[in-house]
Amino acid sequence: VTLLEQNPRWRLVPRGQAVNLRCILKNSQYPWMSWYQQDLQKQLQWLFTLRSPGDKEVKSLPGADYLATRVTDTELRLQVANMSQGRTLYCTCSGPGLGDAEQFFGPGTRLTVL
Amino acid sequence: GDSVTQTEGQVALSEEDFLTIHCNYSASGYPALFWYVQYPGEGPQFLFRASRDKEKGSSRGFEATYNKEATSFHLQKASVQESDSAVYYCALSDQTGNYKYVFGAGTRLKVIA
Repeated sequence: VTLLEQNPRWRLVPRGQAVNLRCILKNSQYPWMSWYQQDLQKQLQWLFTLRSPGDKEVKSLPGADYLATRVTDTELRLQVANMSQGRTLYCTCSGPGLGDAEQFFGPGTRLTVL
Repeated sequence: GDSVTQTEGQVALSEEDFLTIHCNYSASGYPALFWYVQYPGEGPQFLFRASRDKEKGSSRGFEATYNKEATSFHLQKASVQESDSAVYYCALSDQTGNYKYVFGAGTRLKVIA
């Protein structure tokens, strides 16, 4: 059963251009949605957890700037800007709790810098 | 800040060999500990977790025991199969509701038939 849809699945990004990613939640049993990045060395890093529609957060990391938005109960967006190295962005969902709930990962969006 | 260290970057085994992947953590609080597995071209998948000292997590023949004194959560499997070839990640979460997971660097397991 697919819990999350991510689109696009991959994108070539010209240097200096921003890209917008979308994640759709298919099961409201796991309402807390997050973004993770995986770099070219396969290192996974938590970026954001957005619990409610209207939540917005920004973060600047080595290699990219991020703006995440929880649009609705089922939609999460991520804008990636100033990306200097390729990476894969994963959307996740989980049940509410104190932090010991498992994360369900989407299929990922692979970004390559041109 | 919190951190997770996986000692082995790569492990190569033959089928039916015994597997150990070492995981040690550093955390200011009392974290929950996890193992995830990632197959090529897919997102990581939850394998199992343990939330308190001496608790054993297990799934699909893999197991690990939370050792608070040694700050460890080593992954083991008695007899690996070629289909177990994947990247394995140890992770922690601080259990305060912040949902800030910290992952280890991953261990690539290759099992030769």
